[in-house]
Amino acid sequence: DVKVTQSSRYLVKRTGEKVFLECVQDMDHENMFWYRQDPGLGLRLIYFSYDVKMKEKGDIPEGYSVSREKKERFSLILESASTNQTSMYLCASRDLQNQPQHFGDGTRLSIL
Amino acid sequence: QKEVEQNSGPLSVPEGAIASLNCTYSDRGSQSFFWYRQYSGKSPELIMSIYSNGDKEDGRFTAQLNKASQYVSLLIRDSQPSDSATYLCAVSHGSGNTGKLIFGQGTTLQVKP
Repeated sequence: DVKVTQSSRYLVKRTGEKVFLECVQDMDHENMFWYRQDPGLGLRLIYFSYDVKMKEKGDIPEGYSVSREKKERFSLILESASTNQTSMYLCASRDLQNQPQHFGDGTRLSIL
Repeated sequence: QKEVEQNSGPLSVPEGAIASLNCTYSDRGSQSFFWYRQYSGKSPELIMSIYSNGDKEDGRFTAQLNKASQYVSLLIRDSQPSDSATYLCAVSHGSGNTGKLIFGQGTTLQVKP
């Protein structure tokens, strides 16, 4: 089974802090994704990576950056956290195009 | 027009009934279609993948795809209270390794004992 592990289930940070969310997958998948999910807005793609050191902006990249130095790890960075970034953050990975994405358990992030 | 549309519900069915969930999409070039189940407070879990026209069955679940009409549906037979969740339709968008999934807003299903 695919295992996508997110480093924290719950996280509380303060405005202005730099926040790191980590995601690791154990299936040697090429592609990895970061989403946020908010009530009424559904799943929105922040960034994705189709290879090591490669990244593409999703629909809502503003205020975020990403890092993929190793194939198995994809990090989401909130450069200067703001209260409107309070959300559920979901990481996903997939092997190749047209294959399904597999999600981690999510990180519920609160910015105070 | 939203790229992937689902009725938000809630769809309420009695235990043992068939639940029918529908999804329409706008990109005629889409090739891959997925249904995810998401329990409250949890992450989406893949339950069905479908790539070609017709029906695909897996246990109590049947996915149906009609590319000409641009819709995909999910039938759940013998619905159980444990099926109560939000069901997300996801459709591939773009080609190659940089292709993405577009998710619908989800349909909330309530199965009443």
